[in-house]
Amino acid sequence: AQSVTQPDARVTVSEGASLQLRCKYSYSATPYLFWYVQYPRQGLQLLLKYYSGDPVVQGVNGFEAEFSKSNSSFHLRKASVHWSDSAVYFCAVSSHTGKLTFGHGTILRVHP
Amino acid sequence: EAAVTQSPRNKVAVTGGKVTLSCNQTNNHNNMYWYRQDTGHGLRLIHYSYGAGSTEKGDIPDGYKASRPSQENFSLILELATPSQTSVYFCASGEQGHEQYFGPGTRLTVL
Repeated sequence: AQSVTQPDARVTVSEGASLQLRCKYSYSATPYLFWYVQYPRQGLQLLLKYYSGDPVVQGVNGFEAEFSKSNSSFHLRKASVHWSDSAVYFCAVSSHTGKLTFGHGTILRVHP
Repeated sequence: EAAVTQSPRNKVAVTGGKVTLSCNQTNNHNNMYWYRQDTGHGLRLIHYSYGAGSTEKGDIPDGYKASRPSQENFSLILELATPSQTSVYFCASGEQGHEQYFGPGTRLTVL
């Protein structure tokens, strides 16, 4: 069975600082991996995705993530955060049948 | 223009009552999904569908039924609502192996 662990329930950073949100996955084959963001009272929006190829993938709003097969990880990064990045971030893994399994999410708070 | 819409956006129901949550997508995706979101659990898959007429059980299907009468519409049905089904419900559409697109959510309170 596939699973996702986001070890940090909450992360607080200052505006302009760099950011890393951690994600570890468990899946028997090569996974499809995603990061989603959820702003208050809204649905989930896709930030970026990894299917294959270059392990570093670029997303919207300056976000990127790096896939590591050896570490079973897909960490999200941003060089300089803005207060508007405050939201909940979800990492997810998909089987080839399309079923998504989500982590519990990381609440990001950016101090202005 | 929103591609996945849900109705109602908010619903208050009584214990034992029947609740139907509706979802419509204009993405022409084959697959549609229903999730619930609860603090401490993230999103959990209730039911999903590969196309009109098909429904499949997800990870937490007990107490829920689903209906996919057309490519565009996918409903979640609570025949006998219970307070434990108080949650935020999200519908999504997508193609196999690709990202899913989410609706804005329905906040359900069962009293």
